[in-house]
This record gives sequence, C-alpha cells and structure tokens, in this order.
Amino acid sequence: DGGITQSPKYLFRKEGQNVTLSCEQNLNHDAMYWYRQDPGQGLRLIYYSQIVNDFQKGDIAEGYSVSREKKESFPLTVTSAQKNPTAFYLCASSVSGRTEAFFGQGTRLTVV
Amino acid sequence: QKEVEQNSGPLSVPEGAIASLNCTYSDRGSQSFFWYRQYSGKSPELIMFIYSNGDKEDGRFTAQLNKASQYVSLLIRDSQPSDSATYLCAVKSPPDGLTFGKGTHLIIQP
Repeated sequence: DGGITQSPKYLFRKEGQNVTLSCEQNLNHDAMYWYRQDPGQGLRLIYYSQIVNDFQKGDIAEGYSVSREKKESFPLTVTSAQKNPTAFYLCASSVSGRTEAFFGQGTRLTVV
Repeated sequence: QKEVEQNSGPLSVPEGAIASLNCTYSDRGSQSFFWYRQYSGKSPELIMFIYSNGDKEDGRFTAQLNKASQYVSLLIRDSQPSDSATYLCAVKSPPDGLTFGKGTHLIIQP
C-alpha cells in the first residue's frame, strides 16, 4: 500500500534529550514537510524539502533539525534547544509541481 | 507574515442542512487553496482543493474561491453526523509550504 508512515505513534522524551521522528513515504513524492500542531491550533511549518539533499526552514525551525539523504525519508530531530517540544508532529508529502499535500498519521511527542 | 483566518466555532448545524465554512487569507500571491478535515486525535485528510476563482463541486462538497476578496469557503450539503470534525483551511504561496488556519470545529446535530 502506498502512503506516508510516521513512527513512533507516541514518544516520550526527558528534558535535555534529543529525539528523532521518522517519516517515510513510498508515493515517489519529491516534496516533504514537517508540521507541528498544538491543542486548538492550526499546523505550523517547521521544515520542508523539495528535493534530496536540500531543505528550507519554515516558520518555527528553531530547536529542530532535518536531513533528506533519500527521496523516501525525511527524519526530524527535536533537539534540547526546543523549549516547548510537547506537540503533535505531522509529516506530509506532495508531488513536485502539484501542491496537494498528504499527511502521515502523526507522532505525539510528550516531554516528561 | 502570511495569515489564514477561520472562525474557530463551534459551528452547530442540524443533520441534513448545509454547513458553510469560511476562510480569509492575507497573501495576495497565494495560488492554491485547500480544505482538510481533521477528526480528534487524527491527522488531516484532504477533502477539496481549488486553484481558480469560482466554484468547484465534488459530491456533497463545494469549494468557493474569490481571489479579489481573498476569501475561500467550503459548503457541505446534506450534512451527516460523520461530518463532525475540525475543518482546516490551507493556502499555498510558492515557494513555501502550506499555511494553515486554526480550523473551524463543526458539529452536526442528529
């Protein structure tokens, strides 16, 4: 089945730790995105990548890092510099030249 | 700063009636407009997109775009209880990713 897979579904992190969220797609999409959603809020763009080995900061990139070594994969690292990391993280992808984005199932990160 | 504004609701609509959801955006360079449905605790699901002024219909859903007024709307005809969800308006202004509104919480009353 084609789709976008995020793992894990739930993640708990201790303060001061870095954690990496996985996002894999087998849709052959060129563009991939990471969003963050807080309760009662819309989605805010963290990072996006239009092509392998290239990515751009979104509106709230501070405290996050990404890599795009393969077309299928766009992992997000939440670093200890992110002051309020508890949120619902959503990965999305789209075909290059088209703009509809399709989402994975999300990772809910909680700092304990 | 690109902004997308939606009334947070809740918007309560009787079953079988038409639900009307509205959205305004700030960037006149926006080219593509999307409506996503999000059930509680789940990820957003694309239900409609529109690129040109006017109406676009897909089943019970109609998206309406007025670029001069910077206004997008979504109509849901014959509303069903399963339509109860949060509806997110999203706008794309190249070369960036989508900018989302905070969503409208829709409740369909049986």
